[in-house]
Amino acid sequence: SQQGEEDPQALSIQEGENATMNCSYKTSINNLQWYRQNSGRGLVHLILIRSNEREKHSGRLRVTLDTSKKSSSLLITASRAADTASYFCATDSSWYGQNFVFGPGTRLSVLP
Amino acid sequence: NAGVTQTPKFRVLKTGQSMTLLCAQDMNHEYMYWYRQDPGMGLRLIHYSVGEGTTAKGEVPDGYNVSRLKKQNFLLGLESAAPSQTSVYFCAITTGGREQYFGPGTRLTVT
Repeated sequence: SQQGEEDPQALSIQEGENATMNCSYKTSINNLQWYRQNSGRGLVHLILIRSNEREKHSGRLRVTLDTSKKSSSLLITASRAADTASYFCATDSSWYGQNFVFGPGTRLSVLP
Repeated sequence: NAGVTQTPKFRVLKTGQSMTLLCAQDMNHEYMYWYRQDPGMGLRLIHYSVGEGTTAKGEVPDGYNVSRLKKQNFLLGLESAAPSQTSVYFCAITTGGREQYFGPGTRLTVT
């Protein structure tokens, strides 16, 4: 079963609006990461938040993490058409090797 | 994608045929991964490697084999392809900071 589950599955907004995506997970983690995937391309790393952090910013991105609720949110402010993509959260539960688990993603459409 | 390349980009196989996918990195990272991505789903881990000469099974290893003879290369093999293996395959490396960098993907169709 998937560790991370994004919500909503799909989101459509107008350019300039903010987009919020949520991720829930089930077990304890070392960090949680968000990735973007443009159609037909590989995933691109956006931001990593560690289990002892509550909020992190990178440009127009803001990520929050609530370990008590086992949830995270990704906020994209002032969205642009170029932000149209699928966004995935991934949980990292291991200090080495594997245990990255990806959710099914949120498809974001930003309309001009 | 931070120096992660995949070969080939596209491939069509008939059921029962075999093939090898190559992932190469031009950095010096220890950890390499093979994922598959199916429509409407996130990535699922097939196999991974924590260093040269080591491999381990992920979530969906059946029907695949891997080898890491050189640190820079991670090979994914399908010995007898099945239609259920139609997917997009991604290779990734993990940095010391635990961020993953992905290759561009290989789109495989098994008929």
